Amino acid sequence: QAVLTQPSSLSASPGASVSLTCTLPSGINVGTFRIYWYQRKPGSPPQYLLRYKSDSDKQQGSGVPSRFSGSKDASANAGILLISGLQSEDEADYYCMVWHISAWVFGGGTKLTVV
Amino acid sequence: EVQLVESGGGLVEPGGSLRLSCTVSGFTLSNAWMSWVRQAPGKGLEWVGRIKNKADGGTADYAAPVEGRFTISRDESKNTLYLQMSSLTIEDTAVYYCTTDPPRDWGQGTLVIVST
Repeated sequence: QAVLTQPSSLSASPGASVSLTCTLPSGINVGTFRIYWYQRKPGSPPQYLLRYKSDSDKQQGSGVPSRFSGSKDASANAGILLISGLQSEDEADYYCMVWHISAWVFGGGTKLTVV
Repeated sequence: EVQLVESGGGLVEPGGSLRLSCTVSGFTLSNAWMSWVRQAPGKGLEWVGRIKNKADGGTADYAAPVEGRFTISRDESKNTLYLQMSSLTIEDTAVYYCTTDPPRDWGQGTLVIVST
């Protein structure tokens, strides 16, 4: 069973808000993890967006707009990347990551299309 | 400004070896934990391994698929991080990225192709 599950694709309209989820399996409590989020556009290396564990333990990547934010849904055992005011340049692949059992583990990624 | 520049990628036959380099600037390599991350064609990101700084023991951890085949080292006098890869298989074909650890700053990547 994958440690981090992300929907493979998502689409949304310009100006909308979208939540990208990163779900952990039952038995692994999302509350204990710092979840990292990355954006990957074709031809460019991944860009670090932010890290979120709680409202008192979070970090925004350098130069990353505040319309990118992190949160958690404890009931779904998931980390969430919220992107508000979607722009065409937000179209990209998004990956989550956690440190789990002595390794950095990435989710499979979500391809976000802005249409 | 933090910069990481990878080099050393190329075409190698299965079973062969290759050493990747990552030259850093804008920060002191001796103080930093560093990681390697790869992305195979059409696939997602995969962590390869990391090395701690000397103050924290200087040890390295590796992902299961590369444990025993890959070795991470550093030459602080050259501000350079290395990834020595051996017993390469087709599944190791990927773009390899050098990153700070946790991965925040990334290099542009270097492509490794394992093929006959």
